[in-house]
Amino acid sequence: EPEVTQTPSHQVTQMGQEVILRCVPISNHLYFYWYRQILGQKVEFLVSFYNNEISEKSEIFDDQFSVERPDGSNFTLKIRSTKLEDSAMYFCASSEVAGGKTGELFFGEGSRLTVL
Amino acid sequence: AQSVTQLGSHVSVSEGALVLLRCNYSSSVPPYLFWYVQYPNQGLQLLLKYTTGATLVKGINGFEAEFKKSETSFHLTKPSAHMSDAAEYFCAVSVYEAAGNKLTFGGGTRVLVKP
Repeated sequence: EPEVTQTPSHQVTQMGQEVILRCVPISNHLYFYWYRQILGQKVEFLVSFYNNEISEKSEIFDDQFSVERPDGSNFTLKIRSTKLEDSAMYFCASSEVAGGKTGELFFGEGSRLTVL
Repeated sequence: AQSVTQLGSHVSVSEGALVLLRCNYSSSVPPYLFWYVQYPNQGLQLLLKYTTGATLVKGINGFEAEFKKSETSFHLTKPSAHMSDAAEYFCAVSVYEAAGNKLTFGGGTRVLVKP
């Protein structure tokens, strides 16, 4: 069964360093998303991406964050200068908008980011 | 804008007992509704979803949920809890927009199953 894959599964970084989280969405999906979950808190929307551009972003997704689909298969989230509060589990998701428009997102298993 | 409220951040049930997790939503347009489960140290797995049609939807692992428009609710139930049901459960809502199907999650309910 097709699935969303994310790498790395866990990354530890020093505050101020740049981090890139990678995702391979399901191949025929058109919409891509990043969500995050700070430990013990709810899953929060960060950004959605369609047709090679950001379609929506939350207030969390400030100038420190960027997304890119560099090669038609990978979908990346970059954090330019990490802060302690960026420590969280980051989930990538993708969805297929076809005639049914079911709205179902398929999630990867997440990348845990720890900022020291 | 949509929102989701899950009543009870923690629920404790005995093995074999009914599991009932409450979810109420707010949406200005007909919603799509979902329940996701997150096992420890794992990602989000879809349990079930409501889009259109039958209001009682059945999912994996014996779970089901009923969409009640008049009550703006989408409560999740399982007749008989199993130890493997111990996990965190998230209710989520989305609407189809041109920008895609962004999900808004509730705060989650952690289920503990006692032997």
